[in-house]
Amino acid sequence: DAGITQSPRHKVTETGTPVTLRCHQTENHRYMYWYRQDPGHGLRLIHYSYGVKDTDKGEVSDGYSVSRSKTEDFLLTLESATSSQTSVYFCAISYGQDGNTIYFGEGSWLTVV
Amino acid sequence: KQEVTQIPAALSVPEGENLVLNCSFTDSAIYNLQWFRQDPGKGLTSLLLIQSSQREQTSGRLNASLDKSSGRSTLYIAASQPGDSATYLCAVNQAGTALIFGKGTTLSVSS
Repeated sequence: DAGITQSPRHKVTETGTPVTLRCHQTENHRYMYWYRQDPGHGLRLIHYSYGVKDTDKGEVSDGYSVSRSKTEDFLLTLESATSSQTSVYFCAISYGQDGNTIYFGEGSWLTVV
Repeated sequence: KQEVTQIPAALSVPEGENLVLNCSFTDSAIYNLQWFRQDPGKGLTSLLLIQSSQREQTSGRLNASLDKSSGRSTLYIAASQPGDSATYLCAVNQAGTALIFGKGTTLSVSS
């Protein structure tokens, strides 16, 4: 198994509160990704990073910010959580972007009430 | 914009059957295509990665093919087992973006 740890694994929070999800890798992979998975929509990219302090937006980035101050950590922040952000969040990593296998974490279940 | 479609959305088969899962994509300019398996409440596990220059990849009872010109890939599972029950997702990798996923096919294999 790829060394990817997501925390917290489960969280219930109230609307309007800030939430930070953490992804930690031990593989020294350059690329890290945050996806959300929802019924009827499948997996959608939120943000990704191609190096320390290098990030870019994905398909559904509104309401989310990310930071990567170290190779091994990629943080996803919901500045003010809304019920529409209730979802399962997956972190993924890959060595390169073009031809390499991508590995996923176990997911973080977030419920916004 | 790349779109990835998987048909059928759900499939039920008895144990022992050979089966095919389908994946189609609209833009043939891809680097590779990857098949994943997802068990309920779990993350995704990579099954097979096919580079754009390849036609197929095999791993055990799994065989994935790629026809880039027609925008199609198939995942063939031989002699299905109850342990194969899961959701199978395909995803394409293009320049300038991360993986783009289909919505998956949920497979149920009954004993």
